[in-house]
Amino acid sequence: DSGVTQTPKHLITATGQRVTLRCSPRSGDLSVYWYQQSLDQGLQFLIQYYNGEERAKGNILERFSAQQFPDLHSELNLSSLELGDSALYFCASSVAAGGLTDTQYFGPGTRLTVL
Amino acid sequence: GEDVEQSLFLSVREGDSSVINCTYTDSSSTYLYWYKQEPGAGLQLLTYIFSNMDMKQDQRLTVLLNKKDKHLSLRIADTQTGDSAIYFCAESTVTGGGNKLTFGTGTQLKVEL
Repeated sequence: DSGVTQTPKHLITATGQRVTLRCSPRSGDLSVYWYQQSLDQGLQFLIQYYNGEERAKGNILERFSAQQFPDLHSELNLSSLELGDSALYFCASSVAAGGLTDTQYFGPGTRLTVL
Repeated sequence: GEDVEQSLFLSVREGDSSVINCTYTDSSSTYLYWYKQEPGAGLQLLTYIFSNMDMKQDQRLTVLLNKKDKHLSLRIADTQTGDSAIYFCAESTVTGGGNKLTFGTGTQLKVEL
């Protein structure tokens, strides 16, 4: 158990809908990262937040947004869902802002299925 | 840009050693990680190495790094059925004000009795 929690574990929804995925980092960690794992794209970095502020951005679609709250938990919002958004979404956390040595610990993931 | 490549499959007999290979492209100093993913589970951090090191050993795991060839390998000694999983190597790179991990495709390790 990495100490990173994600809810829900599974989510099934329809195209065009909007969902919110939630992540709580390990105690003491200030950074939260979101990754998407799909069969065709593999594991892709989406976005990083550090202490409430966006720190780095990857291949995140404009339909997706994230935020980190004062209690350091983070939410990933996915809207206007398409079939291709079906994937496993991972959250990771690390202690600091994200230097090379800042090890990321991953949660169990949320499996999103868009029908 | 960063690119990390791995072979897709590896099959070994229980008790043998497994060697999982990875190549990366980023030429700057970096940390390289190995993660393990079991079916239906998240990514478990196994070990990591800084790009100026040649080798790191941690119990049954040995990481070898050839910086000139940008080649990384993970050796698992005395492989057990519980080691069956997908193994990802990942490269840490600074991006914007933070950092990200760039993952390889993952190597599925199957351990046979």
